[in-house]
Amino acid sequence: GENVEQHPSTLSVQEGDSAVIKCTYSDSASNYFPWYKQELGKRPQLIIDIRSNVGEKKDQRIAVTLNKTAKHFSLHITETQPEDSAVYFCAGDSNYQLIWGAGTKLIIKP
Amino acid sequence: DSGVTQTPKHLITATGQRVTLRCSPRSGDLSVYWYQQSLDQGLQFLIQYYNGEERAKGNILERFSAQQFPDLHSELNLSSLELGDSALYFCASSVDHIVDTQYFGPGTRLTVL
Repeated sequence: GENVEQHPSTLSVQEGDSAVIKCTYSDSASNYFPWYKQELGKRPQLIIDIRSNVGEKKDQRIAVTLNKTAKHFSLHITETQPEDSAVYFCAGDSNYQLIWGAGTKLIIKP
Repeated sequence: DSGVTQTPKHLITATGQRVTLRCSPRSGDLSVYWYQQSLDQGLQFLIQYYNGEERAKGNILERFSAQQFPDLHSELNLSSLELGDSALYFCASSVDHIVDTQYFGPGTRLTVL
């Protein structure tokens, strides 16, 4: 079946540094790639998404890039802050459902 | 607050039992999705309904079933419960049946003893 792989599973960065999380997908027909953030004990929330007709999208400290040829997309967080600590999930659409990555636990070190 | 509500918040039951989880989508959303999240695991897509009809099926066990009612609320039924069914069950909703921004409810934590 279709698959979305997410790396790394855990990422530890110094506060103020940048963090990058990468995902690859298998369905070449995928067009929609959201990123969700899940804080401990809370619901996942959409933080940014990108569609296949654009290569990059930014929202303040968060950006997502998409390479359709290579079938991978990445989440970039700049100037990380303690409140960025959470689990981040990527996903891609396939056959009218989202295929989810396994998640990346982002740890921000003070 | 996403506007998606789920009840109950917590549920503790015994193996072999049957439970029903309830979800009310955001006002105006026609699609409802159910997910299972085991401890420290990712999100496992179970099933999607759009305007009362099943639209997509993921890794849903035969012991599990769901439905979406005319008022668009949805119920997930889990039967013959096993210890391994203990998890957080999320419901999400979106505007249309086409995959779009999904808004998650607060989840129901199921503990099977």
